[in-house]
Amino acid sequence: GAVVSQHPSRVICKSGTSVKIECRSLDFQATTMFWYRQFPKQSLMLMATSNEGSKATYEQGVEKDKFLINHASLTLSTLTVTSAHPEDSSFYICSARDGAFAEAFFGQGTRLTVV
Amino acid sequence: AQKITQTQPGMFVQEKEAVTLDCTYDTSDPSYGLFWYKQPSSGEMIFLIYQGSYDQQNATEGRYSLNFQKARKSANLVISASQLGDSAMYFCAMRGAGTASKLTFGTGTRLQVTL
Repeated sequence: GAVVSQHPSRVICKSGTSVKIECRSLDFQATTMFWYRQFPKQSLMLMATSNEGSKATYEQGVEKDKFLINHASLTLSTLTVTSAHPEDSSFYICSARDGAFAEAFFGQGTRLTVV
Repeated sequence: AQKITQTQPGMFVQEKEAVTLDCTYDTSDPSYGLFWYKQPSSGEMIFLIYQGSYDQQNATEGRYSLNFQKARKSANLVISASQLGDSAMYFCAMRGAGTASKLTFGTGTRLQVTL
């Protein structure tokens, strides 16, 4: 299957700083990428849908000014957690889909810890 | 609106035995896709199998098969000849038609394979 690479896999940051997470589709062009958040022992919660060249569509309750999403190219989307706080600590995972494929392929995920 | 229900929070199966993980869904879309993902403790989401709503035959991928009963709105995953490495969380998901349509996930089933 297609390969999606997410970086970093693990990050620890101080409260008040910003963290950028990258999601790359390595062998296909992803017109649409999705960002999810997962709390321990829970399911994936969709945060936003990222479309190349246009603004992201955020799910209800997700602060767009806090979770900045940029999809500048067909192979790269970034999620920036701005002014991070301990409650932002979570597992963040992206997925990407080329219109030609039915499956959504996921990155490895990023475990964010804010101290 | 789409909804996925997984009623089994945890399942045990003996090595080499088969196991069925239940999934029911609800949607008003005439065209949709059903997915199963495996999430080991490392966190990555591994795509297992896909079933389109208009597919006449049940999907199979190696030891994985999807028991698709459209009238009952169920899409159970069957794992044959379980292996210790199958121990993980399993998520059922669905999406409607369109390349930008999002995945809706169930709450997951934790499978434990025992000797």
